[in-house]
Amino acid sequence: AQSVTQPDIHITVSEGASLELRCNYSYGATPYLFWYVQSPGQGLQLLLKYFSGDTLVQGIKGFEAEFKRSQSSFNLRKPSVHWSDAAEYFCAVGPKAAGNKLTFGGGTRVLVKP
Amino acid sequence: EAGVAQSPRYKIIEKRQSVAFWCNPISGHATLYWYQQILGQGPKLLIQFQNNGVVDDSQLPKDRFSAERLKGVDSTLKIQPAKLEDSAVYLCASSPGSLHGYTFGSGTRLTVV
Repeated sequence: AQSVTQPDIHITVSEGASLELRCNYSYGATPYLFWYVQSPGQGLQLLLKYFSGDTLVQGIKGFEAEFKRSQSSFNLRKPSVHWSDAAEYFCAVGPKAAGNKLTFGGGTRVLVKP
Repeated sequence: EAGVAQSPRYKIIEKRQSVAFWCNPISGHATLYWYQQILGQGPKLLIQFQNNGVVDDSQLPKDRFSAERLKGVDSTLKIQPAKLEDSAVYLCASSPGSLHGYTFGSGTRLTVV
């Protein structure tokens, strides 16, 4: 069965510092890959997605993610964090074949220090 | 383009009561999903509809949860009777039939006391 692991439950980062969130997946084949952000009391907002092609994907709000097939990873990065980036981040995978449902990781909560 | 609409935004009920949530997907989206997100966890799929038919309800606790999507548009998720562990955010999502264009609503936060 497919699964998604986000090893870091909480990350604290200083404003202006770089951020990297880890995501590892277990899947029968290369799935579609997603990163979502959820601010307190809000729904899920799509940051970026990987379907095929260039393994470095650019998203909104200055985020990027890199797909590494050999490591089954899809880590999210941002070079300089802003206080507004404090939120919970979820990695998700979905099948390229029929089914079209997403499997989510447990999430990483990001705290930003001034 | 209007997004996925959900109501109510918040609901507080006592255990053993019943509750219903409503979702209106993006116009033209054939596939509709209900997810349960317990505090501190990632969303978990409860049920997936394709038009008005159920594709996957393997994770739906059918002894107390039910869902329907009449006419292949709006959907309702019901819990009867509610338990304390049902406290969660219930998210609705829709897609045109693939993972392209997959969109979430803002969710309904349920508290069972």
